[in-house]
Amino acid sequence: DGGITQSPKYLFRKEGQNVTLSCEQNLNHDAMYWYRQDPGQGLRLIYYSQIVNDFQKGDIAEGYSVSREKKESFPLTVTSAQKNPTAFYLCASSIRGQVYEQYFGPGTRLTVT
Amino acid sequence: QKEVEQDPGPLSVPEGAIVSLNCTYSNSAFQYFMWYRQYSRKGPELLMYTYSSGNKEDGRFTAQVDKSSKYISLFIRDSQPSDSATYLCAMSVGGQNFVFGPGTRLSVLP
Repeated sequence: DGGITQSPKYLFRKEGQNVTLSCEQNLNHDAMYWYRQDPGQGLRLIYYSQIVNDFQKGDIAEGYSVSREKKESFPLTVTSAQKNPTAFYLCASSIRGQVYEQYFGPGTRLTVT
Repeated sequence: QKEVEQDPGPLSVPEGAIVSLNCTYSNSAFQYFMWYRQYSRKGPELLMYTYSSGNKEDGRFTAQVDKSSKYISLFIRDSQPSDSATYLCAMSVGGQNFVFGPGTRLSVLP
């Protein structure tokens, strides 16, 4: 089955700790994205990558970092510098240049206390 | 004014009703208009996208774009309890500037 996987589904961390969220896709897509979703708000773009070894900041990149060493993988690190890290994090992918046809993973719910 | 606005709902309708979900936007440069369905605690699922103005139909779903009014709609015919979800509109300028609305929560009652 082709698709996007995110792990873990739920993640709990103490304040001050960095945490890395996994995103893997086997759709052979060049472009991958990370979004954050908070209650009552639309998805907000954190980082995106159009190709391996290249990525750009989205609207709310502060306190986050990413890497894109493989086409299939786009991990997101939530650092201790992120002021409000508790949220639902969604990874997506698309054919490069077809941002209008993104496919999403199941999401990771991160809770930081 | 937010770039994309949606009535958050919740919108409750009886099974079999026609549902109309709407978004308004402010950026006249948007060219692609998307609708996603999101079940609780799941990732969004792309329902359909349209380019520029006009209608697009896929089964019980019809997407409509009115660029002159900066208004898009999603109609669901013969609504089912399984349609109960949050519906997100999204828009983009070509391959850039991709913006989501906050979503409308729909509840279809049996």
